[in-house]
Amino acid sequence: QKEVEQDPGPLSVPEGAIVSLNCTYSNSAFQYFMWYRQYSRKGPELLMYTYSSGNKEDGRFTAQVDKSSKYISLFIRDSQPSDSATYLCAMAGEAGGTSYGKLTFGQGTILTVHP
Amino acid sequence: DTAVSQTPKYLVTQMGNDKSIKCEQNLGHDTMYWYKQDSKKFLKIMFSYNNKELIINETVPNRFSPKSPDKAHLNLHINSLELGDSAVYFCASSQGGSVRRTQYFGPGTRLTVL
Repeated sequence: QKEVEQDPGPLSVPEGAIVSLNCTYSNSAFQYFMWYRQYSRKGPELLMYTYSSGNKEDGRFTAQVDKSSKYISLFIRDSQPSDSATYLCAMAGEAGGTSYGKLTFGQGTILTVHP
Repeated sequence: DTAVSQTPKYLVTQMGNDKSIKCEQNLGHDTMYWYKQDSKKFLKIMFSYNNKELIINETVPNRFSPKSPDKAHLNLHINSLELGDSAVYFCASSQGGSVRRTQYFGPGTRLTVL
């Protein structure tokens, strides 16, 4: 079993839809949770970052973390064709103040938003 | 200006060959990484360097050898290439090794081993 599980999709939605992307994890040491967006033939770029449990909102994007269920979500409101990309969740624990940047990624969900 | 750059962008080679991928960042960061992304988009860290010192060395065959000549460069040399090495290799950098620091990724090098 992988430490981080993410449904690879693909997910296809109409423009304007609310998109829900999810990851589950097994390592209870994870405290930092990120979402990266990767356009085709490009490198991943950080979209959202959350520490521990709770919600974080940034424009049309909302990240949620439920550590008790080991479950994280990314919601995209009013989705646009420009949101079409692969979305990767990533997680990390921390030891002694630094964990030297070791991120554990999910497989990524391929999202297509069609006009 | 490109923040994290990699060369080459595409690399096609025969099994058994030795090849290198170069990475440079102009962000002034002190930590650099190599990741491998397989055909199913699964992204996994291979190595991490902080101030030219190897910090993370995941379970990677010793055919892979990273080299950091200075803080702005991290190269990846691969000996005796195998079919399973075919993947996209990403370089990344951050300021400091804490996971609280954003990692900036390069555009990737698509390696195909025939």
